[in-house]
Amino acid sequence: EAGVAQSPRYKIIEKRQSVAFWCNPISGHATLYWYQQILGQGPKLLIQFQNNGVVDDSQLPKDRFSAERLKGVDSTLKIQPAKLEDSAVYLCASRTQGYGYTFGSGTRLTVV
Amino acid sequence: DQQVKQNSPSLSVQEGRISILNCDYTNSMFDYFLWYKKYPAEGPTFLISISSIKDKNEDGRFTVFLNKSAKHLSLHIVPSQPGDSAVYFCAASASGSARQLTFGSGTQLTVLP
Repeated sequence: EAGVAQSPRYKIIEKRQSVAFWCNPISGHATLYWYQQILGQGPKLLIQFQNNGVVDDSQLPKDRFSAERLKGVDSTLKIQPAKLEDSAVYLCASRTQGYGYTFGSGTRLTVV
Repeated sequence: DQQVKQNSPSLSVQEGRISILNCDYTNSMFDYFLWYKKYPAEGPTFLISISSIKDKNEDGRFTVFLNKSAKHLSLHIVPSQPGDSAVYFCAASASGSARQLTFGSGTQLTVLP
């Protein structure tokens, strides 16, 4: 079974620039999550999708972050404009049933 | 407000000995708990879990203990191996939360050969 694919692996941008991350979940996994992991902290949920609908985006800073999951498969997370405090690893995870989460390797974002 | 806390940022253990990683939680609605292991530049991988109806779950060298009255859980690794060196995250979920996970801040375990 192929894992959760994320790209890019690393990204360095200047503050106020925009950036986008891509996630391809495991085939057949209806639920997709984006987590933000700041250095020294645990992953924090940003948004949860069920198929192509948003289940929970209450912790997504909507003034600068947006996410979509077209056709219920791939997903993109965008930040515009980026701030220094957005420097983190952005993890995508997918789940089929129960608590069977599978995480991708993440995208490490550095905002300078 | 941290609902899941791992108060030890790091732990060093000699190979062959027991590693004990601790986790405390404050939300009494949490009823399912998981441990994840994370190597550098990789995503977290599932290790072991426990439901609140149990107080112990064992899988090979890994055992998770849950003390609901103290809102405390621990992960025991026996015997510890150098390959166990990683960051360990405790996570919790509440019924009706669409199985969302709340993570602790992690404990870096180093197993010394």
